[in-house]
Amino acid sequence: DTGVSQDPRHKITKRGQNVTFRCDPISEHNRLYWYRQTLGQGPEFLTYFQNEAQLEKSRLLSDRFSAERPKGSFSTLEIQRTEQGDSAMYLCASSRGGGTYNSPLHFGNGTRLTVT
Amino acid sequence: KNEVEQSPQNLTAQEGEFITINCSYSVGISALHWLQQHPGGGIVSLFMLSSGKKKHGRLIATINIQEKHSSLHITASHPRDSAVYICAAVSGGSNYKLTFGKGTLLTVNP
Repeated sequence: DTGVSQDPRHKITKRGQNVTFRCDPISEHNRLYWYRQTLGQGPEFLTYFQNEAQLEKSRLLSDRFSAERPKGSFSTLEIQRTEQGDSAMYLCASSRGGGTYNSPLHFGNGTRLTVT
Repeated sequence: KNEVEQSPQNLTAQEGEFITINCSYSVGISALHWLQQHPGGGIVSLFMLSSGKKKHGRLIATINIQEKHSSLHITASHPRDSAVYICAAVSGGSNYKLTFGKGTLLTVNP
């Protein structure tokens, strides 16, 4: 068990550019979550996958954001035409769940995005 | 108003002191997480509980469902306990969606 890994750790980009982040969950975890955290705030839910299906998206996720989990394993989060307000820590988490059960979440170390 | 409120926002303690961090929530929940976040971003899940009390080493978490309140206690605090502690409520309507508090920054001085 190598934990949840996220890549890159840091990304600096210019406004208007597209960025893509990757998350590799714990291998036996079927649930994957993306959160966004700005300075001094707790994380905010962005989206959730169960296996390859994206089951929920927050209203925070504008049309410029898209997330995929094509084979039910790793996931990508893409932000198009980045804006300065997108600067934040993007956190990925995974868990094992089904029915009413959900195991504790395991978080990655996050990708810190800075839009200049 | 955030649905999950933590207090205090900042807490400074001397090594060895007993620490309490409180969390109140207004939503119906199926479980509550206590998380630890160190500088640099990594988050570690300390506890997930839906009733009663859990203990792990020097950490104790309690929850009172009727009062919609949870506490995290640290006994014999140590400088390495310095971190942000976040409570997160699992919405009652789902078993996976978390609503996070803003966190409590704990600094333990030697």
